[in-house]
Amino acid sequence: KNEVEQSPQNLTAQEGEFITINCSYSVGISALHWLQQHPGGGIVSLFMLSSGKKKHGRLIATINIQEKHSSLHITASHPRDSAVYICAVVSQGGSEKLVFGKGMKLTVNP
Amino acid sequence: DVKVTQSSRYLVKRTGEKVFLECVQDMDHENMFWYRQDPGLGLRLIYFSYDVKMKEKGDIPEGYSVSREKKERFSLILESASTNQTSMYLCASSPSIGAFFGQGTRLTVV
Repeated sequence: KNEVEQSPQNLTAQEGEFITINCSYSVGISALHWLQQHPGGGIVSLFMLSSGKKKHGRLIATINIQEKHSSLHITASHPRDSAVYICAVVSQGGSEKLVFGKGMKLTVNP
Repeated sequence: DVKVTQSSRYLVKRTGEKVFLECVQDMDHENMFWYRQDPGLGLRLIYFSYDVKMKEKGDIPEGYSVSREKKERFSLILESASTNQTSMYLCASSPSIGAFFGQGTRLTVV
């Protein structure tokens, strides 16, 4: 079983829809990242969370440490949001290594 | 802005060639990482480095080596490229538990 699980694996939405991407993890963590990867490869860090909730524009990220779960919400989705969204955690214990989910491919149609 | 630069976006090499992938970061980060990304497998850690001349194996180090002679530069070396090393390679650097990624190098070994 992977230490970081994302659901769904693929999602197709219509422009304007509210989208939720889920991430569950099984290890103790010191932080969780939501990453965005557009076609072509480059990865951008959207959020780094250790508790609570963060908001940036149309993106909202939440984390529940007790339930070992995080969600990324996209409000008023747009075709330019089409990308792969990757959840990654930093395990407790002093290591700086990231453990990655396999990513979720989002397609937003106009 | 932090910048992590990988020397090539696309590379095509022949089986048996020695291949160097270069990564440079401009923010004096101590931690640097090399990952490969494959469909269905997500990002997997090859090697990482906590400081100059220090390196540690990640999850899939076989067939690879690394070099970190200067703090800003972390090189991934394929000693004798093989077709199963065709992949997207991503470099990242981190001051602590943040993560900044390069744009990726898509390597094809023929």
